[in-house]
Amino acid sequence: ETGVTQTPRHLVMGMTNKKSLKCEQHLGHNAMYWYKQSAKKPLELMFVYSLEERVENNSVPSRFSPECPNSSHLFLHLHTLQPEDSALYLCASSQDLGGMYNEQFFGPGTRLTVL
Amino acid sequence: GQNIDQPTEMTATEGAIVQINCTYQTSGFNGLFWYQQHAGEAPTFLSYNVLDGLEEKGRFSSFLSRSKGYSYLLLKELQMKDSASYLCAFMDSNYQLIWGAGTKLIIKP
Repeated sequence: ETGVTQTPRHLVMGMTNKKSLKCEQHLGHNAMYWYKQSAKKPLELMFVYSLEERVENNSVPSRFSPECPNSSHLFLHLHTLQPEDSALYLCASSQDLGGMYNEQFFGPGTRLTVL
Repeated sequence: GQNIDQPTEMTATEGAIVQINCTYQTSGFNGLFWYQQHAGEAPTFLSYNVLDGLEEKGRFSSFLSRSKGYSYLLLKELQMKDSASYLCAFMDSNYQLIWGAGTKLIIKP
């Protein structure tokens, strides 16, 4: 247990569905991240939040919409996804955003399949 | 530009030593991380190097040469449970992590 939980662990959805991924961290951290992990590819940073404000959006399609209502919770809202969006979606948190030491703690991920 | 490279897969024998290399290019550098990821699980932190040299932590050691853009992770006395993917990532000038694709390590009895 890393102190970061994600639900659901598995999700199958059609291209016209709307679903949300949830992440919660119990570590008192100030920064939270969404990553996409596809097979044999590097982790792709999608969104970064620091103190509930979005600080990074790496050219992610608008069909992915993040929400950070407080420093402990992070959501990723999904709508009209494409089959190529099928991947493992990982949430992570770190004590702070900047600084020389920024160890990230990861949740177990949500395995998403888009049909 | 920025890039990072590590071997796709390595095989080693239980009880042996294995070295996983990672090379990177970046104009801004704030340290290099190694993470371990077992299949179907979250990545977990192994090590962080920001200065040149070797950092030892039990059976695992990590080395960094900033001038060469090079790091390695050394695993000693390999155990079957060490079978996993090992991810290297450097922190750029914006304090964002740039990740390698991971090295899948297969341990054979």
